[in-house]
Amino acid sequence: IAGITQAPTSQILAAGRRMTLRCTQDMRHNAMYWYRQDLGLGLRLIHYSNTAGTTGKGEVPDGYSVSRANTDDFPLTLASAVPSQTSVYFCASSDTSKRNEQFFGPGTRLTVL
Amino acid sequence: GQQVMQIPQYQHVQEGEDFTTYCNSSTTLSNIQWYKQRPGGHPVFLIQLVKSGEVKKQKRLTFQFGEAKKNSSLHITATQTTDVGTYFCAGPNYMDSSYKLIFGSGTRLLVRP
Repeated sequence: IAGITQAPTSQILAAGRRMTLRCTQDMRHNAMYWYRQDLGLGLRLIHYSNTAGTTGKGEVPDGYSVSRANTDDFPLTLASAVPSQTSVYFCASSDTSKRNEQFFGPGTRLTVL
Repeated sequence: GQQVMQIPQYQHVQEGEDFTTYCNSSTTLSNIQWYKQRPGGHPVFLIQLVKSGEVKKQKRLTFQFGEAKKNSSLHITATQTTDVGTYFCAGPNYMDSSYKLIFGSGTRLLVRP
C-alpha cells in the first residue's frame, strides 16, 4: 500500500441496507477524516479522528458512524442507507504535528436507490 | 459557525487566458490551504499560506493570503488544458480542541483548447 486506499471503488445499495466503507493509510498519520462530496457543495466533513481510539462529529454526521481501533484504519458505516446519502465519499489523513496537509484517498462512489 | 466561501463557482476560459478564484472566510484564519481536484480524481494539496499578506508562486500559479488573514486568492497565468479541475481553499477549525479543515465549495475551471 502506498498512501491511502478506499474500498469499494463504487457501490449501488438498496435503501435500508447497512454499508461499511473502508479506508486504510500506511503513512502512520495520527488524524483521519471522512468527507462527502456533492455537486456544488464542495467537501463536507462527516466524522474525524485525531488519534486512534478517539472520534468526533463533523458538519454532517447524522446517519453515519465511525470507529478508529488502530492508526491505519478508519471505516465509515451507514447503518440504514437512505437516497440522500448518494454521494462520493473521500477518506483523508494528515499528520497534525506537521503541515496539516490532508492526503485523500481515491474515493467511493455510492448510490442509494 | 465558521464558513469558507469561494467564487466563482465556475469559470470557462480560452487556453492562454488568466484565471482567478477567490476565497473568503467568516473568521480570521491561522493559515489557508489550497487543493486541486482533477475531473474524476481526488483533491490534492497544492500549498499552505501562513503569514499575513503572504504571496507564493508555483510556476504559473500565484497564491495570496490577505492582510487580515480572512481571504485568499489563486491566480493562474496563461491557463493550459492541464489546469482543468476544481480548486478548493480550506481553512482550519479548532473547535472541540480538534483540528479540522473547512473547505470552500470550490471553483471549477474549464479550459477551451
